[in-house]
Amino acid sequence: GAVVSQHPSWVICKSGTSVKIECRSLDFQATTMFWYRQFPKQSLMLMATSNEGSKATYEQGVEKDKFLINHASLTLSTLTVTSAHPEDSSFYICSARKGGNSPLHFGNGTRLTVT
Amino acid sequence: KQEVTQIPAALSVPEGENLVLNCSFTDSAIYNLQWFRQDPGKGLTSLLLIQSSQREQTSGRLNASLDKSSGRSTLYIAASQPGDSATYLCAVSSGNTGKLIFGQGTTLQVKP
Repeated sequence: GAVVSQHPSWVICKSGTSVKIECRSLDFQATTMFWYRQFPKQSLMLMATSNEGSKATYEQGVEKDKFLINHASLTLSTLTVTSAHPEDSSFYICSARKGGNSPLHFGNGTRLTVT
Repeated sequence: KQEVTQIPAALSVPEGENLVLNCSFTDSAIYNLQWFRQDPGKGLTSLLLIQSSQREQTSGRLNASLDKSSGRSTLYIAASQPGDSATYLCAVSSGNTGKLIFGQGTTLQVKP
């Protein structure tokens, strides 16, 4: 079956630094990838939609200059949290699909802790 | 604005019991509805997907129903097992965009 790999699975960084999270589709080409954020005991909230070769579309309230998304190839999207602050500590999950009516496949998530 | 609510937030049952998880959504104009399983600190595993034209889907001991007009879906788990312990998330899509709106989940514990 289709596999989406996220890396790293967890990361701890200091306040003010930037962190990059990778989302890879291992055995299919993903025309669209999605980035979600999940705070403890809360549900997943969509942050942005990433289409290969074009700028990401951000949801209302998500700072595009703080959460930089790059989808440079059909198998890789990256989320960079710039100038991270403790309130950015969260669980970030990506999903990907080939396109059209294809099912969504989720990565295993990245636990970010900003100290 | 679509909102998805799941009840109960947490549920504890003895092994072997049949159980029902509930999901409601405010806008009945959905494209599809999915049920996912999430283990602690992990990503999501898709369990069942129901298209807006369907009434139910079944997979093994799981059965999901959809009543679009009333904005409700249920996930029925038969003969629960300790391995079923996880958080179950319901999510709806309003179109074929792939964008999902999630409920807050029901955390299930099945005691041996």
